[in-house]
Amino acid sequence: DTEVTQTPKHLVMGMTNKKSLKCEQHMGHRAMYWYKQKAKKPPELMFVYSYEKLSINESVPSRFSPECPNSSLLNLHLHALQPEDSALYLCASTLNRYSGNTIYFGEGSWLTVV
Amino acid sequence: DAKTTQPTSMDCAEGRAANLPCNHSTISGNEYVYWYRQIHSQGPQYIIHGLKNNETNEMASLIITEDRKSSTLILPHATLRDTAVYYCIVRGGSSNTGKLIFGQGTTLQVKP
Repeated sequence: DTEVTQTPKHLVMGMTNKKSLKCEQHMGHRAMYWYKQKAKKPPELMFVYSYEKLSINESVPSRFSPECPNSSLLNLHLHALQPEDSALYLCASTLNRYSGNTIYFGEGSWLTVV
Repeated sequence: DAKTTQPTSMDCAEGRAANLPCNHSTISGNEYVYWYRQIHSQGPQYIIHGLKNNETNEMASLIITEDRKSSTLILPHATLRDTAVYYCIVRGGSSNTGKLIFGQGTTLQVKP
């Protein structure tokens, strides 16, 4: 089983709202990732967590706040977003950060900011 | 991580083999070559990866040249469902952060 589950699949939020995206895996993976993908563009790395600690932040604005409460769960908290933040948000996981381990992706959460 | 170069788009006839090339001339010895594909509006799907040797699985074959500066992904019998964007990614390097950085990829169109 190589399943990464993301919820919700679709989210519409106003610019003053606070919402969260959730990602879950039960494969015993200890590295988890958030990516952002705009239409017709490749996915862009946002954050990397390793053993529940934030190890990489690709200069993401503070209105995006990641959280890894345990080894199976990764959240992305959203606050005061802009319309240009509308995108597909992808979660991924792998056993650990060793480059020979495959990274598996979820189906993504479509976010629309109005 | 080393940069990759892929053709922007390719066509393939249904039932024929699809051969997708990738150049990674600056690859270093401990970097892996990964292939993912993304069908419209879905998450990227892992296909295959390799370090030095050729690899085969139920989806595809990966042929890596002896100098490791290029590789080819082979889908042996392409179907319409293989129409997607295919990403060749080099991952690893001295920092070994485990990042997976996507380039622009190749849009493969499988035609009846």
